[in-house]
Parts: sequence; structure tokens; C-alpha cells
Amino acid sequence: AQTVTQSQPEMSVQEAETVTLSCTYDTSESDYYLFWYKQPPSRQMILVIRQEAYKQQNATENRFSVNFQKAAKSFSLKISDSQLGDAAMYFCAYRWGQGGSEKLVFGKGTKLTVNP
Amino acid sequence: DTEVTQTPKHLVMGMTNKKSLKCEQHMGHRAMYWYKQKAKKPPELMFVYSYEKLSINESVPSRFSPECPNSSLLNLHLHALQPEDSALYLCASSQDPGSSGANVLTFGAGSRLTVL
Repeated sequence: AQTVTQSQPEMSVQEAETVTLSCTYDTSESDYYLFWYKQPPSRQMILVIRQEAYKQQNATENRFSVNFQKAAKSFSLKISDSQLGDAAMYFCAYRWGQGGSEKLVFGKGTKLTVNP
Repeated sequence: DTEVTQTPKHLVMGMTNKKSLKCEQHMGHRAMYWYKQKAKKPPELMFVYSYEKLSINESVPSRFSPECPNSSLLNLHLHALQPEDSALYLCASSQDPGSSGANVLTFGAGSRLTVL
């Protein structure tokens, strides 16, 4: 079964500093996608960054980057120059399947606090 | 329009009531999803519609009845719910199944359901 593990229930970071959130996953699939979503108190799930498993290059979106280690099944998120607006619950997610049977499963989440 | 709109934002219902949650998107997406999220937990997949046809039902009790009248609209009909069904219900959509964009889900802000 495909599982996603986030081992850090809570993390905190000082404004302008860098923080890394951890995620590991378990799968026997070769073709899949990995995501980080953030969910602020407003409840909206917002896509932060995505990574295709077949791509070796780590994805980057402005201040957000990932360290994708396929052999180790690890997918960590680095937030640089943290801002107060980054405070949210961050979910790592794994997506597999095809042809209308795609599934997206989430880890338990990491609550990120940004201190001014 | 790049949004998924969910109504109502809040719903309180008794165990004998019949109510519905509505989800709408105008991005031309052909896959739509219902997720259930309990407090401090990750979202859990309930149903997936692909081209207006139900493709995945994650063994959801029959008191939840999904409906996809057209490619833009997704409903979740609720009947004889239990207090433990109280949760945030999230709708999401993605592009044509099988396309590269199919792997990115766009979420609505959710409907907060309370069952008394």
C-alpha cells in the first residue's frame, strides 16, 4: 500500500530563516507524482510545489524547493527566507494511477509556525 | 476562472435531515473529487468522478451520495448522517485524466459540516 509519512508534527522557524520539512513515502510504483500542499487557517488547500518521479532535477518555486531522493523515497521541502504568511499546515502528498483512477494520498501534516 | 467554489461554507444539520453540498468549477477540468477532513487530520479521499462517471468510491457509507450532473458541477447528497460525520468536506478538480495536468488538484475552500 502507498503510504506517506511526515515525522514532524510541528516545526517553527524565525522570519527570514530557512526551514526544511521532511517526508518519506512507500510505493512499488515507478510512475508517480509528489506534492507539497499548504493549508492555512482559511482551510484552502494550496499547491506549493510538485515533482514528477521520472525527473531527477529537484523542483523549485521561488522560495520553495524540494530535495527528491527517489532511491531513498524521500521528498523534503525547503522554505527559504520564511515569511509570516508561510505559517500553515503543510501536507506531503503522493499521486499514482492513471486513466481516471488516479489517487492522491496525504501525509499527516506538519504544522509550521513562523516567529517574527 | 481558476477557482473551485463550494457552497455552503457552513452547514448544520440534524441526523434526520437531507441536505446537499455543492461544488463548481469552470476550468474545463474533467475529473472531480470529494475529500473528507476531520480536525487536525489529513484529507481522506471519498469519491472520484472522471468524465462525469464515478470511477472511485472509497467504500463510503451510502448515507453519502455523490452526483455529477455535468462537467462543471459536483454534488454530495447527505441523508441520515451521524455526529461522527461532522468534518470539513473538500472538493477538488483536475484536468483530463491521462494528461500531465491531471496530476495537479485544485481544491475548494471546503464546506464545514456539523451533524447534531
